[in-house]
Amino acid sequence: AQKITQTQPGMFVQEKEAVTLDCTYDTSDPSYGLFWYKQPSSGEMIFLIYQGSYDQQNATEGRYSLNFQKARKSANLVISASQLGDSAMYFCAMRDASYQKVTFGTGTKLQVIP
Amino acid sequence: EAQVTQNPRYLITVTGKKLTVTCSQNMNHEYMSWYRQDPGLGLRQIYYSMNVEVTDKGDVPEGYKVSRKEKRNFPLILESPSPNQTSLYFCASSLSVTLGHNQPQHFGDGTRLSIL
Repeated sequence: AQKITQTQPGMFVQEKEAVTLDCTYDTSDPSYGLFWYKQPSSGEMIFLIYQGSYDQQNATEGRYSLNFQKARKSANLVISASQLGDSAMYFCAMRDASYQKVTFGTGTKLQVIP
Repeated sequence: EAQVTQNPRYLITVTGKKLTVTCSQNMNHEYMSWYRQDPGLGLRQIYYSMNVEVTDKGDVPEGYKVSRKEKRNFPLILESPSPNQTSLYFCASSLSVTLGHNQPQHFGDGTRLSIL
């Protein structure tokens, strides 16, 4: 069975600073996809970034980048130049080799301080 | 506008009274899924569907039923709701699993269910 672990229940970051949100995963499948989603206080789920298990390079999307270390089974989200609007819950998720089952972590609540 | 629509957004009901939460998407997505979100537990997958008439259990299917008679609709049915099913529920869809696992899911706005 696959598992996602997010060990930081809550984090604070100063506005304009960079922050790293940790995500480790466990799977025996060689093929999988890793995702990060943002959930603001309004409740909607917003897709941020994707990394495939065979991708050679770390994914980037604007101020978001994914620090993918396959041997360590980690897929940390890096947010550069934090903004007040980045305050939200962040979830790491994995899609399995069959592309069907999706497993989420327990989330990290990020608060950006002015 | 491309979207996943869930109804109702909020519902308070009593133990044992059957209810259905509807989910509809207008993006011609093949894959649809239901999740429940509970504090400290993140999102857990209840059921998913790869296409019409194809459904399978996720990690927490007990007490729930689903059906996929049409591509756009994927209702979640609680035949005999109990208080431990009080939760925030999300429906999600993505293009097609045959295109690979890089398809992000599009989520509905959520349904907050309270079972008394």
